[in-house]
Amino acid sequence: DTGVSQDPRHKITKRGQNVTFRCDPISEHNRLYWYRQTLGQGPEFLTYFQNEAQLEKSRLLSDRFSAERPKGSFSTLEIQRTEQGDSAMYLCASSSGQPAGALHFGNGTRLTVT
Amino acid sequence: AQSVSQHNHHVILSEAASLELGCNYSYGGTVNLFWYVQYPGQHLQLLLKYFSGDPLVKGIKGFEAEFIKSKFSFNLRKPSVQWSDTAEYFCAVNAGSARQLTFGSGTQLTVLP
Repeated sequence: DTGVSQDPRHKITKRGQNVTFRCDPISEHNRLYWYRQTLGQGPEFLTYFQNEAQLEKSRLLSDRFSAERPKGSFSTLEIQRTEQGDSAMYLCASSSGQPAGALHFGNGTRLTVT
Repeated sequence: AQSVSQHNHHVILSEAASLELGCNYSYGGTVNLFWYVQYPGQHLQLLLKYFSGDPLVKGIKGFEAEFIKSKFSFNLRKPSVQWSDTAEYFCAVNAGSARQLTFGSGTQLTVLP
């Protein structure tokens, strides 16, 4: 079990720029989740994949956000035209078995929009 | 929609003190309940989970939690905390047919040596 890997660990960008984050889940996990966490809050659900299919998206996920998992393995989360309010920690998690069983989280990507 | 409340934002204890962190959820049907822990500089890790059966669930590192359905609660307990338990603790719920977990806002536990 090599764990969930996220890249980059930190990203600083200027408002209006596009950013893309990558998540490599645990290899045998077919379920992949993206969450967002801001200071003093718990993780908030963004979107969920089962294999390559994106099965659920939160209303938090505006049309500037898009996520893909093209081959059912790694996933990318892109934010277009970033805003200062997008500054947060973006967490990826994977699991197998039950739909929301034990999630294995990565270390996250911290985004700062200046 | 499901929601989770953690009423204690920051708890400070001395080593060997007993711990109880509160967690309440709002959902009337079947729930799966979780406690996650985030040690400083590390990723979120599962501490324990409840799906069904015995409402008293034991997790890693001496932690336990009790599901009380009538109170919509899933409080986390440890009889004697250690300095190494300093971390942020998150309660989470998966309710009904939801595919995702809903997390509480977390409780920062500081254990003084």
